[in-house]
Amino acid sequence: GAVVSQHPSRVICKSGTSVKIECRSLDFQATTMFWYRQFPKKSLMLMATSNEGSKATYEQGVEKDKFLINHASLTLSTLTVTSAHPEDSSFYICSAQAPNQPQHFGDGTRLSIL
Amino acid sequence: DQQVKQNSPSLSVQEGRISILNCDYTNSMFDYFLWYKKYPAEGPTFLISISSIKDKNEDGRFTVFLNKSAKHLSLHIVPSQPGDSAVYFCAARMKTSYDKVIFGPGTSLSVIP
Repeated sequence: GAVVSQHPSRVICKSGTSVKIECRSLDFQATTMFWYRQFPKKSLMLMATSNEGSKATYEQGVEKDKFLINHASLTLSTLTVTSAHPEDSSFYICSAQAPNQPQHFGDGTRLSIL
Repeated sequence: DQQVKQNSPSLSVQEGRISILNCDYTNSMFDYFLWYKKYPAEGPTFLISISSIKDKNEDGRFTVFLNKSAKHLSLHIVPSQPGDSAVYFCAARMKTSYDKVIFGPGTSLSVIP
């Protein structure tokens, strides 16, 4: 089946640093990738949608300068949390999608900012 | 404004019995519905889906029913197994150029041996 690899699975870092999370589709070409954030006991909140080779579309309330998304190829998208602060601590999940197929999710990244 | 609702945050079912997870939506522009299963510290796994032109889709122990007039769908798992214990997310997709999917808040299912 389709596999989406997300790395790293866990990050602990100091306030003010920038953190990059990678999302790779391993056995299919993902024309679209999505980035979600999940708060404890809450649903997945879509942050942004990215199509390969074009700028990401951010959801309302998500700061594009804070959460930089790059979708450089059909198999790789990255999310960079810039100048991270404790309130950015969360579980971030990516998903990848081929045309007319369901999204397939990575296993998420637990980000903890001290 | 929650467009996809799962009003039961949790559900407990005895092993072997039927689990019924419910989902309601408000946006009539949704044309495709999905169920995902999620274990702790893992990403959601796609389970089953249904197009708005159908009212039922079955895959093994999993059946999804769609009632468009009521804007309601349900996932039936029968027989329920302990390994089914997880959080189940209902999701709905609006046909846009980006195939954006809206997730419900999830229902935590516990199947008791």
